[in-house]
Amino acid sequence: DAGVTQSPTHLIKTRGQHVTLRCSPISGHKSVSWYQQVLGQGPQFIFQYYEKEERGRGNFPDRFSARQFPNYSSELNVNALLLGDSALYLCASSLVRGGNTEAFFGQGTRLTVV
Amino acid sequence: AQTVTQSQPEMSVQEAETVTLSCTYDTSENNYYLFWYKQPPSRQMILVIRQEAYKQQNATENRFSVNFQKAAKSFSLKISDSQLGDTAMYFCAFTETSGSRLTFGEGTQLTVNP
Repeated sequence: DAGVTQSPTHLIKTRGQHVTLRCSPISGHKSVSWYQQVLGQGPQFIFQYYEKEERGRGNFPDRFSARQFPNYSSELNVNALLLGDSALYLCASSLVRGGNTEAFFGQGTRLTVV
Repeated sequence: AQTVTQSQPEMSVQEAETVTLSCTYDTSENNYYLFWYKQPPSRQMILVIRQEAYKQQNATENRFSVNFQKAAKSFSLKISDSQLGDTAMYFCAFTETSGSRLTFGEGTQLTVNP
């Protein structure tokens, strides 16, 4: 079975541009979460979507948005990119919400803003 | 707000020896889950072990075990018979029972030397 897949794997953007990152969860998983991992730090929670609705949001500006589609795949959008948005963006999927369900992570999208 | 602290940025151990990674956390919740994740250079976050706060018995998974001290809010990971493949960044993480987000520590880079 395929794991969590993210695309693209690497991306270089210029300040002020917009970027869209994509995530396909494990088949049957209905919950998708996004994390930002700056080099040398632990991942920071950005969003959680469950059954196509936003169920949690971290401390990120409104330039960050996301959505979940009927097939449970998800997109993370970042507008007006800043140098500080350079990071590894991780997507995690789980069967349902709740701490008693394991979150499976993709290999991430490495975003570099120049 | 929940916080997770890992006070050891780097650790090293000889192959076949035992090493313990430390983690403390702060929360006002009574029911929650704690995790140790491993992130090798491939970047994919892999779940190592999970502990449910309402269970007093420490979790074990083969060579990996935890020492969960709820009153002290401490959650350390012991790796026995260390292997070269254990070389990775290790993250301690917390989530409340509803599980809307994982809160990660800063990570500990573990190097297993031959």
